[in-house]
Amino acid sequence: GENVEQHPSTLSVQEGDSAVIKCTYSDSASNYFPWYKQELGKRPQLIIDIRSNVGEKKDQRIAVTLNKTAKHFSLHITETQPEDSAVYFCAAGPNDYKLSFGAGTTVTVRA
Amino acid sequence: GAGVSQTPSNKVTEKGKYVELRCDPISGHTALYWYRQSLGQGPEFLIYFQGTGAADDSGLPNDRFFAVRPEGSVSTLKIQRTERGDSAVYLCASSRGGQGHEQYFGPGTRLTVT
Repeated sequence: GENVEQHPSTLSVQEGDSAVIKCTYSDSASNYFPWYKQELGKRPQLIIDIRSNVGEKKDQRIAVTLNKTAKHFSLHITETQPEDSAVYFCAAGPNDYKLSFGAGTTVTVRA
Repeated sequence: GAGVSQTPSNKVTEKGKYVELRCDPISGHTALYWYRQSLGQGPEFLIYFQGTGAADDSGLPNDRFFAVRPEGSVSTLKIQRTERGDSAVYLCASSRGGQGHEQYFGPGTRLTVT
């Protein structure tokens, strides 16, 4: 089955700086890569996703890149704000239905 | 509109007991998923329903776990002979059928087996 590894496990950044989270996956059949944000005590929410037919996708301050050859994908958050503080999970799967999640990255934005 | 809801929000049970966890998906969503999230980990896939049938139950850890969705809407996750290792947050999600649709998560049920 799919194995997703996520780094770093914790990340502390100064407000206004950028944050980068990296994930690797094992199954070459995976072609859907969503990112979820989970605030403390709340449910995971999708923030951005990418499919294997594109290498990069951007939505305002958030961008995701995908390297299928190397089997890794990354989340980039620019101009970080305190409300970006949360746990971020990457996931990978062969379709939208069966996702394998990383262990999460706790992001803290220091004011 | 109403999101995915789960009941109960918290469940404490003794080792060996049977529990049922309920999920109410977003109205009109044909796909429903169950995940288990242990402390400090990402959600772990358990089972996926498309309509009334379990399209993929490969994530269920053993035969003590079973899930149903008899009318294609509400789903119940059933755990028999609970063990302490079953303690986790059980998350339900739903989505529209077909590719390209976001999974919307519920608030989860925190199960504690003592």
